[in-house]
Amino acid sequence: DVKVTQSSRYLVKRTGEKVFLECVQDMDHENMFWYRQDPGLGLRLIYFSYDVKMKEKGDIPEGYSVSREKKERFSLILESASTNQTSMYLCASSLRTISLGTGELFFGEGSRLTVL
Amino acid sequence: GQQVMQIPQYQHVQEGEDFTTYCNSSTTLSNIQWYKQRPGGHPVFLIQLVKSGEVKKQKRLTFQFGEAKKNSSLHITATQTTDVGTYFCAERYNFNKFYFGSGTKLNVKP
Repeated sequence: DVKVTQSSRYLVKRTGEKVFLECVQDMDHENMFWYRQDPGLGLRLIYFSYDVKMKEKGDIPEGYSVSREKKERFSLILESASTNQTSMYLCASSLRTISLGTGELFFGEGSRLTVL
Repeated sequence: GQQVMQIPQYQHVQEGEDFTTYCNSSTTLSNIQWYKQRPGGHPVFLIQLVKSGEVKKQKRLTFQFGEAKKNSSLHITATQTTDVGTYFCAERYNFNKFYFGSGTKLNVKP
């Protein structure tokens, strides 16, 4: 069974702390994503990676960075957490494809971050 | 990013009633995907539509892609309590990036 695993389901951090959210997938997918989910705003793309060490900014990259040193692992980093980063963070992966035949997203269970 | 607008934001129905959620874009969509997120869960892929005017069915769920490829809808016939959740549309953009609508949260009263 395909699996995307996020390291922490719930985290509570203080303002100014550095936060690492880890995501691992076992499907050998090229693409990995970090989304943020807030009520009424849907899923907003923070960063996207299409290969090891490659990344692209999404719609809301400010205050975040990412790391992809290995194909299966994609980390989201909050250099200095702020209260407006309190949210649900969802990691996802997909096959890289040049056609429309495949390529749906597989999501992890989510990491709910509270910044005090 | 791409702009995919989804309405309504919330829908409360009595079990057995029908339900529809709509996605609209000001630009032509290359495709549309639909996902369902159960309460406390993560989004799960339901279906992808690619062709103009395409209609696909999954049991009580009917998915449509508009003729101009600027809108899509998900219709559930005779809702059940198991249909509760948030339904998202998403465009798979440039083959490898995904932009989501804001979602429609469905509540079904037994």
